[in-house]
This record gives sequence, structure tokens and C-alpha cells, in this order.
Amino acid sequence: GENVEQHPSTLSVQEGDSAVIKCTYSDSASNYFPWYKQELGKGPQLIIDIRSNVGEKKDQRIAVTLNKTAKHFSLHITETQPEDSAVYFCAASKGGGSYIPTFGRGTSLIVHP
Amino acid sequence: DGGITQSPKYLFRKEGQNVTLSCEQNLNHDAMYWYRQDPGQGLRLIYYSQIVNDFQKGDIAEGYSVSREKKESFPLTVTSAQKNPTAFYLCASSIGLVGGEQFFGPGTRLTVL
Repeated sequence: GENVEQHPSTLSVQEGDSAVIKCTYSDSASNYFPWYKQELGKGPQLIIDIRSNVGEKKDQRIAVTLNKTAKHFSLHITETQPEDSAVYFCAASKGGGSYIPTFGRGTSLIVHP
Repeated sequence: DGGITQSPKYLFRKEGQNVTLSCEQNLNHDAMYWYRQDPGQGLRLIYYSQIVNDFQKGDIAEGYSVSREKKESFPLTVTSAQKNPTAFYLCASSIGLVGGEQFFGPGTRLTVL
């Protein structure tokens, strides 16, 4: 089955700095890669996703890049703000009737004011 | 407002008792999921359901049971056979198993005393 590795497990940055979270996956058939943000005591929420036919996607201060050859994808957050502090999860799935995402273990992002 | 509700938010039970966690969605989604979240473990799939009256075991189904009698509802029962039931439980739904966003509920924190 699919295996998703996520690094780092904890990331501490100063407000205004950039943050990068990296994930690798094992199944070359995976074609959908979402990123979720989970605030304390709440359920995860999708913040951005990318499909395998695209190499990069941006939405304001967040961006995701995908390298299919190397089987890794990354989340980039620029100009971090204290409200970005949360746990971020990456996931990978194949779709096509067998969509069950496999999640990484999460990255706790702490943005210091 | 459309969304997923889980109740209760906090649940305490004595060891050896079965307990049922509620999950309701009004998004008209076909697929529903239950995840267990432990610190540093990410999201682990317990059960999922593609349509009414059908459900499949996930990676850690032992000690759990589900039912899907209505499209809107997917309750999870934590039985006395579950060795370590204390955890944060998340319910999610998606349009179908075709690859796309999952919508998560706020979670239920179960503590077994």
C-alpha cells in the first residue's frame, strides 16, 4: 500500500519567515495530493491540493509543488503569521474508484510573533 | 449551513463499556470515514463507507464497529475489545471515492477510565 513520510515533525519560525514542509510517497500511481490544516481541538481543513498533471499551485501565501519523478511534494507558506500556527498534514491517493488517502504523520508549525 | 457534526465533543467511559460516537452530515456526500488520531501518529483509517448499507474495514478496524443505515449518518461503536480506546476520533465525508476533498467534523475526544 501507499506510504507517506512527512518532515519535519515540528517547525518553529519567526513571524514573517517562510515555512516549508516536505512529504514523500511510495506509490507512483498516486495522483491527488491534498494538504490539511488542523487547529487545536478541531478537525482538519483542506487548504490546498494538487493533482499529478500539475507541477505547482499557488493560493495567496501558500503554494504546493510536486515532483512526480522523485515522488515528493512540498507545502510552502510565505510571510508566516501567528494564525498559521497549527498541525499540517499531507496526504496521497490514487482516485479512480479506489480513493482512500494515506496521511503523513503531521507537522506542528509554530509561528512566533 | 452544510457540514459535519460529531457529538459529543468529550466522552468519558469506564473500561469494558461499549460507546457509540455520532457523526451526521448534510452535504449529501456518498462516502463517509472514521479516523483515529493519536499524538504523532497522523490520521489512521478505522472504517469507511461508499454508500448506504455498505462499509469496509480500514487499517485499524479491530475493536470497532459501524453502521450506515442512512446516507447522513455513520455512527462508530468502540467496543470493549478495543485495547487502547482513548483517542481523538474524527469523522469525514467526501462526494465519493473518486479523489477529492474530505470534509472533517470537529472530532470527539474519548477517554476511557
